[in-house]
Amino acid sequence: IAGITQAPTSQILAAGRRMTLRCTQDMRHNAMYWYRQDLGLGLRLIHYSNTAGTTGKGEVPDGYSVSRANTDDFPLTLASAVPSQTSVYFCASSEAPGGPEFFGPGTRLTVL
Amino acid sequence: QQPVQSPQAVILREGEDAVINCSSSKALYSVHWYRQKHGEAPVFLMILLKGGEQKGHEKISASFNEKKQQSSLYLTASQLSYSGTYFCGTVVIQGAQKLVFGQGTRLTINP
Repeated sequence: IAGITQAPTSQILAAGRRMTLRCTQDMRHNAMYWYRQDLGLGLRLIHYSNTAGTTGKGEVPDGYSVSRANTDDFPLTLASAVPSQTSVYFCASSEAPGGPEFFGPGTRLTVL
Repeated sequence: QQPVQSPQAVILREGEDAVINCSSSKALYSVHWYRQKHGEAPVFLMILLKGGEQKGHEKISASFNEKKQQSSLYLTASQLSYSGTYFCGTVVIQGAQKLVFGQGTRLTINP
């Protein structure tokens, strides 16, 4: 099925634990993005990657890291989760930077 | 740098029209529009590049006034399926090609 998949769908995590959110796309898009969505704040960019092997910081990168070893995968890691990282996380991709973005189904993360 | 959307929320009866505005304090390269239904992911509607272009998608269209640094989304003869939250996303000139999203406009269509 063409598109973007994210895993897990939802997760409850104890504060201080490490967590990796997975994102895979099969559209051969060059650019990929991670957003968090909190009520009333819209979508905020965490990290992005314009092409495999490169990454960049978005608006709210602190506490998160990413890697882009290949075109298809763009995992997001929380090294030591804190309650303020409770949010819905969306992965997205676009054929080129600045182009239309296609979103995955999201991961609902709760940090207690 | 976040674009400002107005109104924050609007309630319509089926068949009525709506306009959602998106304004930026910076010169824009492009404007994107997305719709998100409750509990789902945002879905791309259209992109407008600088040059004043207008685009249409079913009965949803949009305009981009680069001099005023703003875009408007027009929903005509609204249908129940148009309900959701609409986000504009802007890409600024002389910046990295990254989208910055507005805070969203919640649209409710009642029968």
